[in-house]
Amino acid sequence: GAVVSQHPSRVICKSGTSVKIECRSLDFQATTMFWYRQFPKQSLMLMATSNEGSKATYEQGVEKDKFLINHASLTLSTLTVTSAHPEDSSFYICSARETGLLEAFFGQGTRLTVV
Amino acid sequence: RKEVEQDPGPFNVPEGATVAFNCTYSNSASQSFFWYRQDCRKEPKLLMSVYSSGNEDGRFTAQLNRASQYISLLIRDSKLSDSATYLCVVNRNNNDMRFGAGTRLTVKP
Repeated sequence: GAVVSQHPSRVICKSGTSVKIECRSLDFQATTMFWYRQFPKQSLMLMATSNEGSKATYEQGVEKDKFLINHASLTLSTLTVTSAHPEDSSFYICSARETGLLEAFFGQGTRLTVV
Repeated sequence: RKEVEQDPGPFNVPEGATVAFNCTYSNSASQSFFWYRQDCRKEPKLLMSVYSSGNEDGRFTAQLNRASQYISLLIRDSKLSDSATYLCVVNRNNNDMRFGAGTRLTVKP
């Protein structure tokens, strides 16, 4: 299957700081990328869908000014958690869908801990 | 009502057992369907797509019933390595992927 690389895999940051997470499709062009959050023992929750070159579409209840998404190229999307708080601690996962295909492939996830 | 609903589980089965998971979706305009598996603290990995005619991949069989808006996954001859959470995924369109909450399976010796 296609390879999606997510970086960093783990990050610890202080409350009030911002954290950027990168999601790259390594061997294909991804028109659409998805960002999810997963709390322990809970399901994946879609945060936003981004299409290359346009603004991301956020799910209800997700603050777009707090979770900044940039999908500047067909192989890279970034999620920036701004002014992070302890309640933002979670597992953040991206997925990317190759142009013209339906299935999506996931990055390895980023475990964010805000202290 | 959630857009994609799955059996809550957990399912605890002995090795060699056959186990079936069900999933229903609420949006009749949904276009494509998948099963993913997720191991503990890892990212989901695509297990198989689900086609209208039903499809099989080794010990795994997926079926789709559009009229009832229902998807199933059957695992035969369960292995210890099948222990994971199985996620039902529904695409409404090219810009949308919705996940069920997942069903946890534990296969015991």
